[in-house]
Amino acid sequence: SYELTQPLSVSVALGQTARITCGGNNIGSKNVHWYQQKPGQAPVLVIYRDSNRPSGIPERFSGSNSGNTATLTISRAQAGDEADYYCQVWDSSTGGVFGGGTKLTVL
Amino acid sequence: EVQLVESGGGLVQPGGSLRLSCAASGFTFSSYSMNWVRQAPGKGLEWVSYISSSSSTIYYADSVKGRFTISRDNAKNSLYLQMNSLRAEDTAVYYCARRGLVGEIDYWGQGTLVTVSS
Repeated sequence: SYELTQPLSVSVALGQTARITCGGNNIGSKNVHWYQQKPGQAPVLVIYRDSNRPSGIPERFSGSNSGNTATLTISRAQAGDEADYYCQVWDSSTGGVFGGGTKLTVL
Repeated sequence: EVQLVESGGGLVQPGGSLRLSCAASGFTFSSYSMNWVRQAPGKGLEWVSYISSSSSTIYYADSVKGRFTISRDNAKNSLYLQMNSLRAEDTAVYYCARRGLVGEIDYWGQGTLVTVSS
């Protein structure tokens, strides 16, 4: 079965850039999607198909995907960006696959 | 406005059954594939099941295969999850989730809590 690996936690200073990685075997060949989830709320899509932002998502959120690693980048981090972030792919043999999630702390 | 509203959660004993429903509105339900995704208390997201727009293609996570059944009624704009032989580890918030064009989940319901306990 296909697996995605994320760091448990990432910390970033207010106004700096946070990078959250998502590792998977040849993940660069798949469409990677990213979700933000705040406590007590449903997840929200922030990046789809590696690097595309849905309407309403700030330009500070960007994504990239190559080789065995996809990356979500949050520029000029704000206190409101504190949340859990999950990567996700669709695998033809496994179905939907989520990473374990990364807790982002803004210091 | 796209809305997905889950119902049917609650407390059930181990080995019991429960049927979740999801009422969809604000979009052409029959044109979209749908998913169920769950989240155990304090844990991450876990994909549970997928159904294509016409119900012709269905997938399940290994953890629920043989126990859960996904279905939909396009005439009623509704998605369902029949859960049998429930276990303590099935305790979670269950989200109804619309699949977008490239495999993303573009809309989520607010979730319904299922608790499996004696």
